[in-house]
Amino acid sequence: EVQLVESGGALIQPGGSLRLSCEVSGFMLGNYNMNWIRQAPGKGLEWVSYIKADSTLILYADSVRGRFTISRDNAGNSLHLQMSNLRHEDTGRYFCVRDGGKTGNQEFWGQGTPVTVSS
Amino acid sequence: SYVLTQPPSVSVAPGQTAGISCGGNNVGAQRVHWYQQRPGQAPVMVVYEDYNRPSGIPERFSGSKSGNTATLAISRVDAGDEADYYCQVWDGNSKHVVFGGGTKLTVL
Repeated sequence: EVQLVESGGALIQPGGSLRLSCEVSGFMLGNYNMNWIRQAPGKGLEWVSYIKADSTLILYADSVRGRFTISRDNAGNSLHLQMSNLRHEDTGRYFCVRDGGKTGNQEFWGQGTPVTVSS
Repeated sequence: SYVLTQPPSVSVAPGQTAGISCGGNNVGAQRVHWYQQRPGQAPVMVVYEDYNRPSGIPERFSGSKSGNTATLAISRVDAGDEADYYCQVWDGNSKHVVFGGGTKLTVL
C-alpha cells in the first residue's frame, strides 16, 4: 500500500525557518518524481515545488522561490522541504504528493502537516 | 501564468448528475486531472488525463473535454459525493503545476 507521511509542521514566527519531511512506503521513492502542494485555511490547492526522481530537475512556485528548498533521500525513502524567511501567507497544510509522470497528475497524497506562521 | 477557472459552487439533487466545468486557454491541448477533497481529508485523484479513472474510483465519475472546457461529471450523486473538486494541468510553458480554484459540490 502506498503511504506518504509528512512531519515537521509547527507554529513559527515570521522570518523563521522550518524543515518538513515526508516518509514514504509501499513504493521505491527513487522511481518517482515528487511534489509539495499546500493549502491555506479555507482556500484552494497551491503547488509549491517539484523534484525529479534523480534530483536533476527542481522547480518552485514564484511565491516560494529563493526561500524554500526541496530535496530527497531516495535511499532513505524521504522527501524534504526546507522553508526559510517564512511569511504569514505561508500558513497552511503542506502535502507530500507522488507525481504520476509525464502529464503531471498528482496520484497519491499524504495527509499533510500544518504550518502556522504567526507572531 | 496559466489560469484554470472553475465555478465556486455546484448544487445537485440526490440521484442526479453533477457537472463541474474547468476552463482555460487552449485547455483542449492540455491533459486535465481532477481531484476530490472531502472535508478534513487529503485530495484524491478521481480522473487523470482527461477521462481515465484510477483503480478504485467508481464509474460514476467521468471526465470529458470540449473546446476550451473540461468537465467532470458525477452520475447518481449521493451525500458521500459532497466535497471540493479541483481540476489541474501541467503548464509546460511556466513549468508549473496549476490548479483551478476549486468547486464545492453540494448535494441538496
